[in-house]
Amino acid sequence: ETGVTQTPRHLVMGMTNKKSLKCEQHLGHNAMYWYKQSAKKPLELMFVYNFKEQTENNSVPSRFSPECPNSSHLFLHLHTLQPEDSALYLCASRVTGAGSTEAFFGQGTRLTVV
Amino acid sequence: GEDVEQSLFLSVREGDSSVINCTYTDSSSTYLYWYKQEPGAGLQLLTYIFSNMDMKQDQRLTVLLNKKDKHLSLRIADTQTGDSAIYFCAESKDSSASKIIFGSGTRLSIRP
Repeated sequence: ETGVTQTPRHLVMGMTNKKSLKCEQHLGHNAMYWYKQSAKKPLELMFVYNFKEQTENNSVPSRFSPECPNSSHLFLHLHTLQPEDSALYLCASRVTGAGSTEAFFGQGTRLTVV
Repeated sequence: GEDVEQSLFLSVREGDSSVINCTYTDSSSTYLYWYKQEPGAGLQLLTYIFSNMDMKQDQRLTVLLNKKDKHLSLRIADTQTGDSAIYFCAESKDSSASKIIFGSGTRLSIRP
């Protein structure tokens, strides 16, 4: 257990559905991340939040909408996804700045778009 | 730009040493990491090295950094079946930087 919890672990959704992925950490980390992991491709950084403020949007399509209500919680809202969006979505968190740490990852949400 | 590259597969015999290689493009990278991902799990940090170091050893793991060539390697001594996993190389610029850039991962398989 890394202290970063993602729910759900598995999600199957149709292309017209709306769903949300949740990530939670109570490690006191200030930065939170969404990564997409597809087969045989580098881990793709999607979004970064630092103290609840979005600091990176890596040209992610608008059908992915992140939300960070506080430093402990991060959401990824999904709507009108495509089959090629099927992947493992990983959340991570870390401390940045003085006393920085490595990134701690959740177990991921395996998303299948049908 | 920022890019981290690794070979996709490595197969070694049980008991031998495994060497996983990584190259990166950003010469200002300060922190270089090795993560391990077991099936069905997220990534877990194995070890990391600062760019002002050439080598770091931690039990069976040895990390070598050639900053001039922007080349990082992870050596696992006496490889065991439990070492089967995907190994990711990653880099970030400094402690305040938000971005951590990952490679595609190297799948290590162990043969008897």
